[in-house]
Amino acid sequence: SQQGEEDPQALSIQEGENATMNCSYKTSINNLQWYRQNSGRGLVHLILIRSNEREKHSGRLRVTLDTSKKSSSLLITASRAADTASYFCATVEGGYSTLTFGKGTMLLVSP
Amino acid sequence: DGGITQSPKYLFRKEGQNVTLSCEQNLNHDAMYWYRQDPGQGLRLIYYSQIVNDFQKGDIAEGYSVSREKKESFPLTVTSAQKNPTAFYLCASEDRNYGYTFGSGTRLTVV
Repeated sequence: SQQGEEDPQALSIQEGENATMNCSYKTSINNLQWYRQNSGRGLVHLILIRSNEREKHSGRLRVTLDTSKKSSSLLITASRAADTASYFCATVEGGYSTLTFGKGTMLLVSP
Repeated sequence: DGGITQSPKYLFRKEGQNVTLSCEQNLNHDAMYWYRQDPGQGLRLIYYSQIVNDFQKGDIAEGYSVSREKKESFPLTVTSAQKNPTAFYLCASEDRNYGYTFGSGTRLTVV
């Protein structure tokens, strides 16, 4: 079953611009994670945010979590062509340990 | 270097054949997972194992089998009962405080 749903499905921006991706989910969660996938490759873990956290930063990445709205956002600042990839949010539901993934947002950053 | 190794990278299967995908990790993680990814889709959970000699079915286990005889290894067999096996298969292991580490995937094609 699909828990998270990313929005938009695709995003095209210029280098140097910021990219914002959103994720909505349906049930209460233990934590929410964001992953990046370059074409035809495995996924790379970006950030894990727990249900009692509201915001987390890692380099040019900023993740927010609003459990009252069951939503999260991933902001990539000052984007680069190398950020071109698909980005997935994934949730761990309370009491379970498996990750449930959304369908992803495809980000294209043009030079 | 610690990580997860999946092999082979590409695999071709004839109708009616069973094939086994390898997944090995040297991260000393207890939990390991197998996901399937279809084009333009998110990841769907096939099987997972929290500890050696134990594993559970995920959302789409039919037509697949696994074993977990060693902590480092979690092979996936795609049986002839899986009617639509062409997909990208991803193996992962988990650090509970950090998230999942993924292998680089195996692309399986039925010929």
